[in-house]
Amino acid sequence: EAGVAQSPRYKIIEKRQSVAFWCNPISGHATLYWYQQILGQGPKLLIQFQNNGVVDDSQLPKDRFSAERLKGVDSTLKIQPAKLEDSAVYLCASSSPRGRTDTQYFGPGTRLTVL
Amino acid sequence: EDQVTQSPEALRLQEGESSSLNCSYTVSGLRGLFWYRQDPGKGPEFLFTLYSAGEEKEKERLKATLTKKESFLHITAPKPEDSATYLCAVQAGMGRRALTFGSGTRLQVQP
Repeated sequence: EAGVAQSPRYKIIEKRQSVAFWCNPISGHATLYWYQQILGQGPKLLIQFQNNGVVDDSQLPKDRFSAERLKGVDSTLKIQPAKLEDSAVYLCASSSPRGRTDTQYFGPGTRLTVL
Repeated sequence: EDQVTQSPEALRLQEGESSSLNCSYTVSGLRGLFWYRQDPGKGPEFLFTLYSAGEEKEKERLKATLTKKESFLHITAPKPEDSATYLCAVQAGMGRRALTFGSGTRLQVQP
């Protein structure tokens, strides 16, 4: 079974520019997450989707970050405009809860550097 | 607010030298406690889920245990390929399914 795919793997931009990341979850997984991982820290949730709908975006900086999941499959995360503190790895994860089992599987991440 | 604290931050072992990593947590109703392994430049790789106090899971040289306040990841006779960052995360049982992660333990196993 193919894993979670993300692109690009690396991105370098100037502050105030915009950037977009793409994620393709594991086939059949209805739940999709975007996490931000700053160097030396654990991942922190940005947004959670269930199919097309947003379940939790309470920690998303909505003045600059946006995300969508059209047709309940692929998702895009956008930052506009970027700040220096947005330098991090952006991880996409997906899951398909069955009973009490709800394991999240992660993609390789996109490493963003803001100069 | 859910919280996860991992210790130590970094651990250096000789090959074959067994040790344990600690994960202390506070959560409003534990749905599951997860252990992941993360190699440099890669996403977290799932290892174990523990659901209730007293539960244990094993995989090769790794064994995870769970109490009501903490979890341990025991590494028996580690090899250099076990070198990675080990992340602990909790999932609350109150509807929100996102994981709350600790900062991880960086393990280095020297030959």
